[in-house]
Amino acid sequence: DTGVSQDPRHKITKRGQNVTFRCDPISEHNRLYWYRQTLGQGPEFLTYFQNEAQLEKSRLLSDRFSAERPKGSFSTLEIQRTEQGDSAMYLCASSSQGPNQPQHFGDGTRLSIL
Amino acid sequence: DAKTTQPTSMDCAEGRAANLPCNHSTISGNEYVYWYRQIHSQGPQYIIHGLKNNETNEMASLIITEDRKSSTLILPHATLRDTAVYYCIVRVGDYGQNFVFGPGTRLSVLP
Repeated sequence: DTGVSQDPRHKITKRGQNVTFRCDPISEHNRLYWYRQTLGQGPEFLTYFQNEAQLEKSRLLSDRFSAERPKGSFSTLEIQRTEQGDSAMYLCASSSQGPNQPQHFGDGTRLSIL
Repeated sequence: DAKTTQPTSMDCAEGRAANLPCNHSTISGNEYVYWYRQIHSQGPQYIIHGLKNNETNEMASLIITEDRKSSTLILPHATLRDTAVYYCIVRVGDYGQNFVFGPGTRLSVLP
């Protein structure tokens, strides 16, 4: 049973650099979510895809952030011109379609901005 | 989505039942109660969810009061590996909406 997979697990970069994270959802799940979690807080929603369509974006998702899910399978989250405040854990979750389906989370990518 | 209130932290002795409460007094009729937990450095792990009937699975039991304004997650025989932050979330169960996580309850299982 393969769960949600995220790559890389850790990323350290200098301020101003671009970074890209990848998420592979559970194979039969058509819904995919990105969340961000800072130390001591619960995860905060960033964006949501159903198949390849990005249906919802949080106000947390500034114009430096872009997410894609081109073929309705894996997804990427890119952050351009990283800032210190972008340091966080970036979590991906997926769920199957239908009412009350739980989301299943990956173990996240921890981003540290130097 | 309705707001939830959970205690900040709780302790439980290993081998005993851990009962984690959650208040959701503004819950509406079509909102489900979900429980997740997060162990340090891992993503949130789904535990259980329910609408109005009590639910049980291999991990835990969920008891929802008749008026649905509160619920309790029960871990029947807590182990040290159950030490984690536990999140109670209510959400309308349609259309794939995101979860809104609060600060949760930090459960410490003590030997």
